[in-house]
Amino acid sequence: DAGVIQSPRHEVTEMGQEVTLRCKPISGHDYLFWYRQTMMRGLELLIYFNNNVPIDDSGMPEDRFSAKMPNASFSTLKIQPSEPRDSAVYFCASSPGHRNTEAFFGQGTRLTVV
Amino acid sequence: SQQGEEDPQALSIQEGENATMNCSYKTSINNLQWYRQNSGRGLVHLILIRSNEREKHSGRLRVTLDTSKKSSSLLITASRAADTASYFCATVRNAGNMLTFGGGTRLMVKP
Repeated sequence: DAGVIQSPRHEVTEMGQEVTLRCKPISGHDYLFWYRQTMMRGLELLIYFNNNVPIDDSGMPEDRFSAKMPNASFSTLKIQPSEPRDSAVYFCASSPGHRNTEAFFGQGTRLTVV
Repeated sequence: SQQGEEDPQALSIQEGENATMNCSYKTSINNLQWYRQNSGRGLVHLILIRSNEREKHSGRLRVTLDTSKKSSSLLITASRAADTASYFCATVRNAGNMLTFGGGTRLMVKP
């Protein structure tokens, strides 16, 4: 398996534009997580899915952020409209279906909003 | 919100020395995990210790867990320059499968 695949790796956009980040989890993994990493706030869990269903989205900063998982092999995180304070590295991770297992991370998407 | 807090925030040692990083957390957990992150890369899992375990080894890594103190430590023995990275602890609570990370320790190993 190629691991968790995120695209794009880098995204530079202007304030007010819509941004869509994409993630392909490892095949067979039941859980998918979206994290955001900044120097100020560290690694924050935004939302996670179990079997394509959102379980906890309490970490989503505001209504400008939305995430979907239409099927087991694809998820998106959308920011609309984007703001400079959204600049961060966004990670997607997936894990198998039970608690005592590790999470596998993608390489991240570095988002810069100017 | 962050569940765990790492200590120290930064650590600089010479190659061959041991590196110890500590993690404290706030709520009861199912397990605690340690991850490594090289600059500009994703996180890589190092080791998982369950709440009913007290110590675990993996190669040059030794992890301890004290649930009464809600703390864990990661020891890297005989460090190498290639160990230079950030190290994060993460906890999984008894409910759900959510992985919550601490702030991390930046380790620099000087050759």
